[in-house]
Amino acid sequence: DIQMTQSPSTLSASVGDRVIITCRASQSVNSWLAWYQQKPGKAPKLLIYKATGVESGVPSRFSGSGSGTEFTLTISSLQPDDFATYYCQQYNSYSEGFSFGPGTKVDIK
Amino acid sequence: QLQMQESGPGLVQPSETLSLTCTVSGDSITRSSYYWGWIRQPPGKELEWIGSIFYSGATYYNPSLKSRVTISADTSKNQFFLRLSSVTAADTAVYYCARRQVGHGVDVWGQGTTVSVSS
Repeated sequence: DIQMTQSPSTLSASVGDRVIITCRASQSVNSWLAWYQQKPGKAPKLLIYKATGVESGVPSRFSGSGSGTEFTLTISSLQPDDFATYYCQQYNSYSEGFSFGPGTKVDIK
Repeated sequence: QLQMQESGPGLVQPSETLSLTCTVSGDSITRSSYYWGWIRQPPGKELEWIGSIFYSGATYYNPSLKSRVTISADTSKNQFFLRLSSVTAADTAVYYCARRQVGHGVDVWGQGTTVSVSS
């Protein structure tokens, strides 16, 4: 199985801050990585696909980068609606499973 | 607009089989290049991919759950199903059905259904 890790696990930030979340894979997943935002009691929402593709309707302050084993999600200027938990997911190979990272909670500083 | 709705028992006895249905409206589960799958989230924990069924009918399962999972579909009703056998308390979770396009992330999710495993 491919193991995914995220850092930090919790991040305290203020409105307007630039936020960077890192996701690492235990082996290369090429660019087959997605990022999701989840709020309490809600289903996750797709933000980024194929490492850098921004899903339709997602604000331009969200961006993704990376390939291979290291990836980042950047929020250029944190907005009140962005306080949530963020997950990465690799989808490189069905035989390896499509594992998620443990999540990064972004809360108010 | 595509909508996905999970249904099934909210309580399952230990060692029994968990069975859930996902009803899809606004799209066909036979549409080319789409996967239809199940993802779960235990209380306070991370998301876990369970498995998927491709539009062609091919199935793919999480290696750690493969021995207990079956995903199938009824194309006439535009539904797909999850069966998870020999459940334990560790299978207590919110179960989501979801859609993914080839090369894309999971772009449509059901609202989720809570399943508890308890006697």
